[in-house]
Amino acid sequence: EIVLTQSPGTLSLSPGERATLSCRASQSVSSSYLAWYQQKPGQAPRLLIYGASSRATGIPDRFSGSGSGTDFTLTISRLEPEDFAVYYCQQYGSSPPLFTFGPGTKVDIK
Amino acid sequence: EVQLLESGGGLVQPGGSLRLSCAASGFTFSSYAMSWVRQAPGKGLEWVSAISGSGGSTYYADSVKGRFTISRDNSKNTLYLQMNSLRAEDTAVYYCAKVYMIAAAGTGSFDYWGQGTLVTVSS
Repeated sequence: EIVLTQSPGTLSLSPGERATLSCRASQSVSSSYLAWYQQKPGQAPRLLIYGASSRATGIPDRFSGSGSGTDFTLTISRLEPEDFAVYYCQQYGSSPPLFTFGPGTKVDIK
Repeated sequence: EVQLLESGGGLVQPGGSLRLSCAASGFTFSSYAMSWVRQAPGKGLEWVSAISGSGGSTYYADSVKGRFTISRDNSKNTLYLQMNSLRAEDTAVYYCAKVYMIAAAGTGSFDYWGQGTLVTVSS
């Protein structure tokens, strides 16, 4: 079973700053199957990045994803007020469990 | 516009049963795998179960295997989750989610989510 670890647990930043979120897998993950989601309180998650680096439809270009193997990164180039939320990485694999989520990183206002 | 609308949540006693439904619209339902993902209060996301577009293949997390059954009725554009032998640790908001596909290939991610339905298991 692949375990995803996200760091830091909480990131306190100001609007306009750059946010760098890490997702590390216990085993190598296919880049084709690594995704990132944003979740705000009381809302369903929203797909931001799929295939490690492809932005989903309608996602602003200040969001970018990178990485391969066991280390992946979500970068928000300049934080907007609406970007303060919890971010989850997620992987899909051929062995059970089919889908795995990381524990999340909360980005809050400093 | 893609819409996913869950229903069927509520309060149930430990050991009880509940069936969740997810009504889908705005896309060709039978062409897409679907999944259930849950989130316990104040916790992270946990994948629960998935089903292929035809319904012929189903997959479960170990935590629910043998107790939950995923199914779909493509004639009604509806996804289901039958939950039996419920435990306190099953208390969560349950989301249905559509598997994101590009050119008939899965991306291993979920591009549309419902708003969720709350299941509370308590005596």
